Amino acid sequence: QQQVKQSPQSLIVQKGGISIINCAYENTAFDYFPWYQQFPGKGPALLIAIRPDVSEKKEGRFTISFNKSAKQFSLHIMDSQPGDSATYFCAASKRGSQGNLIFGKGTKLSVKP
Amino acid sequence: KAGVTQTPRYLIKTRGQQVTLSCSPISGHRSVSWYQQTPGQGLQFLFEYFSETQRNKGNFPGRFSGRQFSNSRSEMNVSTLELGDSALYLCASSLGTAGANVLTFGAGSRLTVL
Repeated sequence: QQQVKQSPQSLIVQKGGISIINCAYENTAFDYFPWYQQFPGKGPALLIAIRPDVSEKKEGRFTISFNKSAKQFSLHIMDSQPGDSATYFCAASKRGSQGNLIFGKGTKLSVKP
Repeated sequence: KAGVTQTPRYLIKTRGQQVTLSCSPISGHRSVSWYQQTPGQGLQFLFEYFSETQRNKGNFPGRFSGRQFSNSRSEMNVSTLELGDSALYLCASSLGTAGANVLTFGAGSRLTVL
C-alpha cells in the first residue's frame, strides 16, 4: 500500500514557467510533510517542509500548498530555471517517527532553456 | 560544518557475500536513519538508530541489520546478498529530538550485486 502518491512521474517545463508537483497521502497521523530535491549522484536535500496547521509556506521561488481536508499537498516552483532540473520527492512522517520518512515515487523535472 | 559522510561510495559484491556500510553523521546529530533507493521501489526506510538503540524499523528481511556507536556513527550490514539488493543505500542524520524532523542525507553507497 503506497501511503504517499506523487504525480506526475516526469515534467517538462520551459524556463520561466511554473512547475507543479502533487502528492496525496492516506494516513491522518502524518504531521510533517517535506519536499526533497535530488541531483544525479547526490543524496536528497531538503527543499522546504510544512506542518498540517499551515495551508501554505513559501521560501523564495518554492511554495508548498497544503489541503488537510483533501489530504493533498503540492510543490510550486515559480520562474523555473534549468538549474532546477532534478528529481523531486514529497514525503511524510508521523509524530515520534521523524527518522522514518515515507517518500513518494519522485518526479523528474526538466526545465528547458 | 561537515555533512553526512558515507563510505564506501561504490562497491561490487557477488551473491551470497555480505557487506558493511558506514555512516558518519553531522556533529551533534544523535539520530541516524538508513534508506534503500532503487528505480523500481524508490526510497524505502530501513531503520533508525538513536543513542545506540534501534528506534524504528522498516519492512525489510532480517538480512538487513544495523548498529550505532557511542559517537553516533552507524553501520549497516547486509548478509547473504541477493541480486535484488543492488541499490543506493542512503544514510541520513538528524538531531532526533521531538519536533526536529530535518533529515540531512549523505551521498550514498552504491552497491552492485553480481
